Amino acid sequence: EPEVTQTPSHQVTQMGQEVILRCVPISNHLYFYWYRQILGQKVEFLVSFYNNEISEKSEIFDDQFSVERPDGSNFTLKIRSTKLEDSAMYFCASSTTGNVNTEAFFGQGTRLTVV
Amino acid sequence: AQKVTQAQTEISVVEKEDVTLDCVYETRDTTYYLFWYKQPPSGELVFLIRRNSFDEQNEISGRYSWNFQKSTSSFNFTITASQVVDSAVYFCALRGGTGFQKLVFGTGTRLLVSP
Repeated sequence: EPEVTQTPSHQVTQMGQEVILRCVPISNHLYFYWYRQILGQKVEFLVSFYNNEISEKSEIFDDQFSVERPDGSNFTLKIRSTKLEDSAMYFCASSTTGNVNTEAFFGQGTRLTVV
Repeated sequence: AQKVTQAQTEISVVEKEDVTLDCVYETRDTTYYLFWYKQPPSGELVFLIRRNSFDEQNEISGRYSWNFQKSTSSFNFTITASQVVDSAVYFCALRGGTGFQKLVFGTGTRLLVSP
């Protein structure tokens, strides 16, 4: 069964460093998302991406963050100058359409720990 | 604004008991979809079900059933004859409006099923 895959599963980085989280969405999906879950809290929307541009972003997604689809298969989230409060589980998701009735399929997440 | 409330933070049951997870939502959209996701201890988010705002027919799938009541803005989830493998955090989520919309998650309910 097709699935969204994320790498790495766990990343530890020092405060101030840049990290890139990688995702391979399901191959025929066209809409891509990043969500964040701080430990023990709810899952929060960060950004949605379609046709090589950001469609929507939350207030969390400030200039520290950027997304890119560098090739036909990968979808990345870059966090510049990481802060302690960026420590969280980051989920990538994809869907076939952007319609409200379409479920998003999530990857297994990347746990980012900023020390 | 959209909001999803899961008032139960944690529920503990003994195997074979039935358990209902509550979800209350707020939205001004007339068209919206409600979702349930399961997050097992391994961390991934697993899609369980979606319902649209025009279909209040309740659904049963194996041991799972869902009760959608538009009049009370609730979308509750029941597990019949719970099993230890059901232990997870369950998230209710809302996606509303038309076009390209993000998922708004509740804070989740942790279900612990003991033998």
